[in-house]
Amino acid sequence: DVKVTQSSRYLVKRTGEKVFLECVQDMDHENMFWYRQDPGLGLRLIYFSYDVKMKEKGDIPEGYSVSREKKERFSLILESASTNQTSMYLCASRTSGGNYGYTFGSGTRLTVV
Amino acid sequence: ILNVEQSPQSLHVQEGDSTNFTCSFPSSNFYALHWYRWETAKSPEALFVMTLNGDEKKKGRISATLNTKEGYSYLYIKGSQPEDSATYLCAFGSVYGGATNKLIFGTGTLLAVQP
Repeated sequence: DVKVTQSSRYLVKRTGEKVFLECVQDMDHENMFWYRQDPGLGLRLIYFSYDVKMKEKGDIPEGYSVSREKKERFSLILESASTNQTSMYLCASRTSGGNYGYTFGSGTRLTVV
Repeated sequence: ILNVEQSPQSLHVQEGDSTNFTCSFPSSNFYALHWYRWETAKSPEALFVMTLNGDEKKKGRISATLNTKEGYSYLYIKGSQPEDSATYLCAFGSVYGGATNKLIFGTGTLLAVQP
């Protein structure tokens, strides 16, 4: 069964902490994505990557960075966590070409206090 | 900014009712329209990926239609069951999405099916 695995289901961090959210996929997908989901706003794209070491900003990149050193792993970094980054974070992956859907992880609910 | 809208925001139906939701998206630069089902405490799961105007897709009791010229898609559930309770998301991919075909998501329709 193919999977996208997010390292934590729930996370509580303090304001100002550096936070790492990890995502690993076992499908050899080229493309990986980080979204956040907030009530009434839907899924909003933070960053995405189409290859190892390649990354592009999504719609709301401010306050975040990403790292993709290996094809299977895509990390989201909150450089200095703030309370407005409290949210549900979803990682997804997709193969290039063709018309296939995304495969999502189960999400990380981050609370910044 | 591209806008994807879903209606209604939420829906409460009785078991056995049939229901449908709407997804509106830009009618220009269309590449693909996705539907996902997101059950509580689980990952969003892809239902359909639709690319051609007039497409109709079906999976069990769930089906979807696509009109790219006017920019809308309908999702139908026939004879709703409690296990259909979930948030249904649609997502639009434009020709400018590149090889990643990155998607713009709507805010979802929350369906609750009462036994």
